Amino acid sequence: GESVGLHLPTLSVQEGDNSIINCAYSNSASDYFIWYKQESGKGPQFIIDIRSNMDKRQGQRVTVLLNKTVKHLSLQIAATQPGDSAVYFCAEIPGGSYIPTFGRGTSLIVHP
Amino acid sequence: EAGVAQSPRYKIIEKRQSVAFWCNPISGHATLYWYQQILGQGPKLLIQFQNNGVVDDSQLPKDRFSAERLKGVDSTLKIQPAKLEDSAVYLCASSPLGPTGYGYTFGSGTRLTVV
Repeated sequence: GESVGLHLPTLSVQEGDNSIINCAYSNSASDYFIWYKQESGKGPQFIIDIRSNMDKRQGQRVTVLLNKTVKHLSLQIAATQPGDSAVYFCAEIPGGSYIPTFGRGTSLIVHP
Repeated sequence: EAGVAQSPRYKIIEKRQSVAFWCNPISGHATLYWYQQILGQGPKLLIQFQNNGVVDDSQLPKDRFSAERLKGVDSTLKIQPAKLEDSAVYLCASSPLGPTGYGYTFGSGTRLTVV
């Protein structure tokens, strides 16, 4: 479950499993959403994006689902690998803006 | 394509001291951003430049933080005097101008520890 303070929500999976990371966004005016991956000691790295006129978008091993009714995003990673271990952030961008507002982040730990 | 370069990678200072961070964005990227990332949180925007002009600095604590991008390329972020709560990773990001501005690229950041 979700924690407070310095403790990020954490998802632990076995290598080869599918992972689902969830995110609730706050601004109903947001029309563009991005998932970022942040490895230790590095800046956030773009994974996949989705516009508000879509409810699903697929990339290589990743799928983003958008439910605007409940303001919820999810990132699905297929066949999770140890290299997927990182903190994952969702970010929302309101219409007319280019600046992402980041959510809290989820730590994904993949066990070999 | 070279990424966003930041230096130093790490800095430890005492409270009330001053510190400066440097960022070199991706060549040709008109827009540059500084973010503060406190441990366990997502990055928070401090300031946005477009070329050498400030677009948004509403979240910058201007009593102690300052930033400049004099020639529309490199940028520096300064903290004077530092407080304990400034301990964080300071990330620089750049993006092209216009509709492709969604193409954010982040640097690896400077980890600041204030003791």
